[in-house]
Amino acid sequence: DIVMTQSPDSLAVSLGERATINCKSSQSVLYSSNNKNYLAWYQHKPGQPPKLLIYWASTREYGVPDRFSGSGSGTDFTLTISSLQAEDVAVYYCQQYYSSPLYTFGQGTKLEIK
Amino acid sequence: QVQLQESGPGLVKPSQTLSLTCTVSGGSINSGTSYWSWIRQPAGKGLEWIGRISSSGSANYNPSLKSRVTISLETSKSQFSLRLTSVTAADTAVYYCARDGGALDYWGQGTLVTVSS
Repeated sequence: DIVMTQSPDSLAVSLGERATINCKSSQSVLYSSNNKNYLAWYQHKPGQPPKLLIYWASTREYGVPDRFSGSGSGTDFTLTISSLQAEDVAVYYCQQYYSSPLYTFGQGTKLEIK
Repeated sequence: QVQLQESGPGLVKPSQTLSLTCTVSGGSINSGTSYWSWIRQPAGKGLEWIGRISSSGSANYNPSLKSRVTISLETSKSQFSLRLTSVTAADTAVYYCARDGGALDYWGQGTLVTVSS
């Protein structure tokens, strides 16, 4: 199985400041034949289902604010929120879909307001 | 806009079978490359992918649950279902269904299933 490890486990950031969440996979999720990273990011708020933010490591889902961005390749990935808003408080998960059909998620990063 | 809705009992006794159904609306459940997944989240823990089924009815499962899981498709009702046998307290979780394109883009609201006598 591909193990996904996120850091940090929790993060407190001031409103308007940048938040950065990291995700590392135990093996590369870059598929060489199409040069795509099989990595997604989700935002999960209490009482709601997870919401897809980013897929292919850096493609923003339709309707997701452009303060959210994804970067990285191979085994190391980052989700960045450029200017934290109050509504961004949530748990964030990365997920690999390279080893389809066995998907694995990171353990989650809890983002709070400082 | 694709919508998914889970339904099923919220309480299951230990050793019995958990059965949930996901109803899909706003889109075709059997369009070409569609896959449909089940994911769960125990309280205070992370997300675990359970398995998926293709629009043609081919299923794949998480090896950790494979011996106990069956996912099936009923296209005439635009539904897919989850059966998990021999449940224990460790199977208590919020269960989600989702449309699966690798990335999971549409999710149901989730349903809490508690395993308790």
